[in-house]
Amino acid sequence: AQSVTQLDSQVPVFEEAPVELRCNYSSSVSVYLFWYVQYPNQGLQLLLKYLSGSTLVESINGFEAEFNKSQTSFHLRKPSVHISDTAEYFCAVSVKTGGYQKVTFGTGTKLQVIP
Amino acid sequence: ETGVTQTPRHLVMGMTNKKSLKCEQHLGHNAMYWYKQSAKKPLELMFVYSLEERVENNSVPSRFSPECPNSSHLFLHLHTLQPEDSALYLCASSQVVHNEQFFGPGTRLTVL
Repeated sequence: AQSVTQLDSQVPVFEEAPVELRCNYSSSVSVYLFWYVQYPNQGLQLLLKYLSGSTLVESINGFEAEFNKSQTSFHLRKPSVHISDTAEYFCAVSVKTGGYQKVTFGTGTKLQVIP
Repeated sequence: ETGVTQTPRHLVMGMTNKKSLKCEQHLGHNAMYWYKQSAKKPLELMFVYSLEERVENNSVPSRFSPECPNSSHLFLHLHTLQPEDSALYLCASSQVVHNEQFFGPGTRLTVL
């Protein structure tokens, strides 16, 4: 069975500073990797995903994540955060089981951007 | 309407009530999911439907009863709930062979 670990439950960071949200996973089979973001009182939205190919993936709002197979990590980074990035971020791994995907989520990291 | 919608957005019910949560997806997907999100706990997968057939039931108490009448609609019927069932209930959908799930905004349930 796969598992996801997000060690940091909360990360405070000043506006325009860089940030890294850590995600490590374990799985005995190949996985797909995702970062979702949840703004207050909303559902989860896909931020970026790694399925195959280039190990560095980017989102449209400046976030990027790099798949590191040897370290089983998929850390999320942004070089300069904005107030609007304040949200909870969930890392997830997915394996195909039968006719559907089985997704396991991490416990989430709350990013608080300080003005 | 686009994406995944959920109604109601907020629900307060007593322990003896019966209510239903509704989810509708407008994406042409073939798989739908119910998740429970409680404070300080990981997102919990409750049920999975693939091509309208239930394929996963993660030891969810029988007071939660899902229904998937077609590939676009998913219901969660609730009866005799407990206060610890208070949480945000999220619905999601995906293409069967794809790996990206699209989430609805959730229903905030409070059980008194």
